[in-house]
Amino acid sequence: DAGVIQSPRHEVTEMGQEVTLRCKPISGHDYLFWYRQTMMRGLELLIYFNNNVPIDDSGMPEDRFSAKMPNASFSTLKIQPSEPRDSAVYFCASSGGLAGGREQYFGPGTRLTVT
Amino acid sequence: AQTVTQSQPEMSVQEAETVTLSCTYDTSESDYYLFWYKQPPSRQMILVIRQEAYKQQNATENRFSVNFQKAAKSFSLKISDSQLGDAAMYFCAYRNIQGAQKLVFGQGTRLTINP
Repeated sequence: DAGVIQSPRHEVTEMGQEVTLRCKPISGHDYLFWYRQTMMRGLELLIYFNNNVPIDDSGMPEDRFSAKMPNASFSTLKIQPSEPRDSAVYFCASSGGLAGGREQYFGPGTRLTVT
Repeated sequence: AQTVTQSQPEMSVQEAETVTLSCTYDTSESDYYLFWYKQPPSRQMILVIRQEAYKQQNATENRFSVNFQKAAKSFSLKISDSQLGDAAMYFCAYRNIQGAQKLVFGQGTRLTINP
């Protein structure tokens, strides 16, 4: 399996622009998670889905952030409009399948820089 | 809410020596999972080891082992025969078995291996 795939790996954008991060989970996994990593706050959950349905979005910072999972093999995290404080590494992770969902497997992350 | 604390921001060890990274957590749950993740400079999050709280036996994966003290809510990671490739950030993480599936991370410990 190719593992969790995220794109782009790096994104540099100007304040006010729309940013879309993409994730393809491991085939057969029914949970998908979006995490954000910053120096100040560490690793924190933004939102997670089960069977394409958002279960907990309490970590989404504000209305500028939105996430969708239109099917089992694709999810997006959108920031509109972006701000410099959104600069961070965004990770997508998935779990489920025969392992019973104990482990979460992480993608390589997207490093977002908002200038 | 569950919390995870890593009290050692940085640790260093001589190559081939043994080092122990500390982690404490707080939860009112009786069953849960605990994990150690490694994040090398590539920023990829790599699962090192997993412990189920209902298992009394400490988990072991090759040179990596844990000391799980449920009553004390302590979960330390021991790395034996340290290798240069072990240099990374190490994160302790907690996850409920029932209910919320999100990982709660500690702040991380940066491990340096001295040749």
